[in-house]
Amino acid sequence: KAGVTQTPRYLIKTRGQQVTLSCSPISGHRSVSWYQQTPGQGLQFLFEYFSETQRNKGNFPGRFSGRQFSNSRSEMNVSTLELGDSALYLCASSTTGLSNTGELFFGEGSRLTVL
Amino acid sequence: DAKTTQPTSMDCAEGRAANLPCNHSTISGNEYVYWYRQIHSQGPQYIIHGLKNNETNEMASLIITEDRKSSTLILPHATLRDTAVYYCIVRARFNKFYFGSGTKLNVKP
Repeated sequence: KAGVTQTPRYLIKTRGQQVTLSCSPISGHRSVSWYQQTPGQGLQFLFEYFSETQRNKGNFPGRFSGRQFSNSRSEMNVSTLELGDSALYLCASSTTGLSNTGELFFGEGSRLTVL
Repeated sequence: DAKTTQPTSMDCAEGRAANLPCNHSTISGNEYVYWYRQIHSQGPQYIIHGLKNNETNEMASLIITEDRKSSTLILPHATLRDTAVYYCIVRARFNKFYFGSGTKLNVKP
């Protein structure tokens, strides 16, 4: 069974540009979450999607957005990139519906560098 | 939303048990405690989770205090490959996990 796949693995952008990251969850998983990891702030929750609906979001500016497609694949977009957006962006999938249990399966991440 | 507090780093001798503590004093009655680890910027790896009772699996044991305000992850026989950052997490609704800063476990030969 294939794991969570994130693309691209590495990318370099310049300030002001926008970027789209993609995540394919484990087959059968309907929940996809996104996290940002930086040395200074650690792992921070961005948002979570379930059945194409955003159910929860963290404390990030509106430049950070996401969506989920009918096949559960998800994308996140960051517009007007800033130097501080340089980070490892992690996607995680889960089978969890409305219950509050269930583990997250993480991908290897997309490492974004903003110059 | 409940948060967790962990020591910044710990050392453990190879072959010995590693006991990693975590405080989560504001945890709600229906919130689970999860443990993940992350090895050198790879995606975090699930270890174990629990609600009230102690739990054990092939990787580790989780001991949760009766008042649920703290827990301990136990790696029974630490190896060099267990060197990683270990995150104690309280799981909120809709897969919102608060990771905190984690504990850097250094397993030494």
